[in-house]
Amino acid sequence: IVLTQSPGTLSMSPGERATLSCRANQTVSNNYLAWFQQNPGQAPRLLIYGASTRATGIPDRFSGSGSGTDFSLTISRLEPEDFAVYYCHQYGSSPTFGQGTKVEIK
Amino acid sequence: EVQLVQSGPEVKKPGESLRISCKGSGYSFTRYWLGWVRQMPGKGLEWMGIIYPGDSDTRYSPSFQGLVTISADKSINTAYLQWGSLRASDTAMYYCARPAVADRYEAFDLWGQGTMVIVS
Repeated sequence: IVLTQSPGTLSMSPGERATLSCRANQTVSNNYLAWFQQNPGQAPRLLIYGASTRATGIPDRFSGSGSGTDFSLTISRLEPEDFAVYYCHQYGSSPTFGQGTKVEIK
Repeated sequence: EVQLVQSGPEVKKPGESLRISCKGSGYSFTRYWLGWVRQMPGKGLEWMGIIYPGDSDTRYSPSFQGLVTISADKSINTAYLQWGSLRASDTAMYYCARPAVADRYEAFDLWGQGTMVIVS
């Protein structure tokens, strides 16, 4: 399954709402879709799994939605620490990652 | 503390072999799938494969099948990623990672610190 994320880069200001998209070329089975955040020089951090369930310790400003082939990650109010790269990941069948969306400060 | 600790950075020449490791601690090593993820310099994440240390059931991404070998030694709670003949294109950071739930393959929520491999 190929995951295509858009946009490639999102230029936002702190406090704004950000919406990231992830589209699959086939149905993601059981909505096994996760979102990760990665900061420079660090390992990825799991934010969302099962398309919409927040991982332990993840603030509620992060939310995931979608099903089938179209998924999104929304950050309701960007905090300074949220400027990072985000990856979607399907773990239903021969797992794959999207190419990433960079959220940068405008 | 539940953690994954990876082996240190490596600098190798093309054609050499290499094995890097990932040691799990603070949990039942044999009951959690453990996977490997590649990140080439400045690029995104690539899922390479996973292993269930309890019975060594191993799955590979088609992109990495035949290019690397994933194994585990449950007696020392350690998983491995190895190459028989390195190429310059293997230069990357390699992460091991584990899902939150035992006995099922789920999204990775525990990650090692990464092992940088440079082939030059």
